[in-house]
Amino acid sequence: ELKVEQNPLFLSMQEGKNYTIYCNYSTTSDRLYWYRQDPGKSLESLFVLLSNGAVKQEGRLMASLDTKARLSTLHITAAVHDLSATYFCAVSSGAGSYQLTFGKGTKLSVIP
Amino acid sequence: DAGVIQSPRHEVTEMGQEVTLRCKPISGHNSLFWYRQTMMRGLELLIYFNNNVPIDDSGMPEDRFSAKMPNASFSTLKIQPSEPRDSAVYFCASSLAGLDEQFFGPGTRLTVL
Repeated sequence: ELKVEQNPLFLSMQEGKNYTIYCNYSTTSDRLYWYRQDPGKSLESLFVLLSNGAVKQEGRLMASLDTKARLSTLHITAAVHDLSATYFCAVSSGAGSYQLTFGKGTKLSVIP
Repeated sequence: DAGVIQSPRHEVTEMGQEVTLRCKPISGHNSLFWYRQTMMRGLELLIYFNNNVPIDDSGMPEDRFSAKMPNASFSTLKIQPSEPRDSAVYFCASSLAGLDEQFFGPGTRLTVL
């Protein structure tokens, strides 16, 4: 059974600071997704990582995937208040599977 | 494309009543997923369909829950009878065959009194 662990689950950081959210998973997979959820809203796709070493960047967020370590990171650079949200990673169970297994989410609060 | 469409957006009902949630996936997508999200349990996969066929319903909490997908553009999730512990946000998501990326609808916030 595929398990996905995120840490930290809660993160409070000051504007302008850098931080990294970690996503570990338990079985081999090379397909990982990051989603963002604003309070009271739906999940919005942020990044799609489909191979070992994949790196994607959008604004102040950068995601990477290390399939050998079964680890993805979401790095936040010079945080701003608008980044406050809950971030989920989701891992594919592999070829032929349609399911994604989601982590519990990291609730990020950026304090002015 | 309008994205995944869900209705109603909010539903308030009394315990014991039947509740039907509706979902229209993105046109051309042939996998559809129903999730439930609560503060306590997080995001849970209830059931998913591929080409209108239920593939895995192991996440459906109990017999009170049922889901159907009569055609490629419509799915329902029914709770009968509803209970207060069913209160949650229910999301529908869809994806394209062979690709995992799921696109989520706006959700239905269900409150059972």
